[in-house]
Amino acid sequence: SQQGEEDPQALSIQEGENATMNCSYKTSINNLQWYRQNSGRGLVHLILIRSNEREKHSGRLRVTLDTSKKSSSLLITASRAADTASYFCATGGTSYGKLTFGQGTILTVHP
Amino acid sequence: GAVVSQHPSRVICKSGTSVKIECRSLDFQATTMFWYRQFPKKSLMLMATSNEGSKATYEQGVEKDKFLINHASLTLSTLTVTSAHPEDSSFYICSARDGGSTRLSSQYFGPGTRLLVL
Repeated sequence: SQQGEEDPQALSIQEGENATMNCSYKTSINNLQWYRQNSGRGLVHLILIRSNEREKHSGRLRVTLDTSKKSSSLLITASRAADTASYFCATGGTSYGKLTFGQGTILTVHP
Repeated sequence: GAVVSQHPSRVICKSGTSVKIECRSLDFQATTMFWYRQFPKKSLMLMATSNEGSKATYEQGVEKDKFLINHASLTLSTLTVTSAHPEDSSFYICSARDGGSTRLSSQYFGPGTRLLVL
């Protein structure tokens, strides 16, 4: 069953603005990952944060994890039109490699 | 980087026919592959976990006789949708786990296969 819930479901911003997407989950996790999916394509791995980490950065991406609230956020700074895509969080549990995906946020960045 | 391919990328078939989708890891050995299904503007739903040389493990609610999975080699897994019906129309995505890596993020996704059953 899907346990990750993302909000907002859709986000529309102007180029240059920051985009923040949130993800909540219900059970204990080993790690949480964020993926990007362009329309009709496969998934691209963006970043992984372990359950004992609170924040992680990768280029224009910043991910936070609050295990007490069972939530994570993905921040994309200085967004570009090319960032337009769907973004999914996925949690990894005790089954090594098995991922449970959230519902996703559709991000549209207007040039 | 690690590449996973899927074939075909798109398939249209008549109701009642069977369709086979291939998932290949091109430059690494995949001891485990996963098959997902995705409806338009929806999330990925894990269908089954495929381990090389053994039977696939299906998620609850997924009919194993409907969705046949074979993982005969370390680089190839196939999903066969048997006696396809229009409700089987969907986007099917596979992912492959790099068996030679201990990194948690060493799971790579294929580009997906769009199935349309008429």
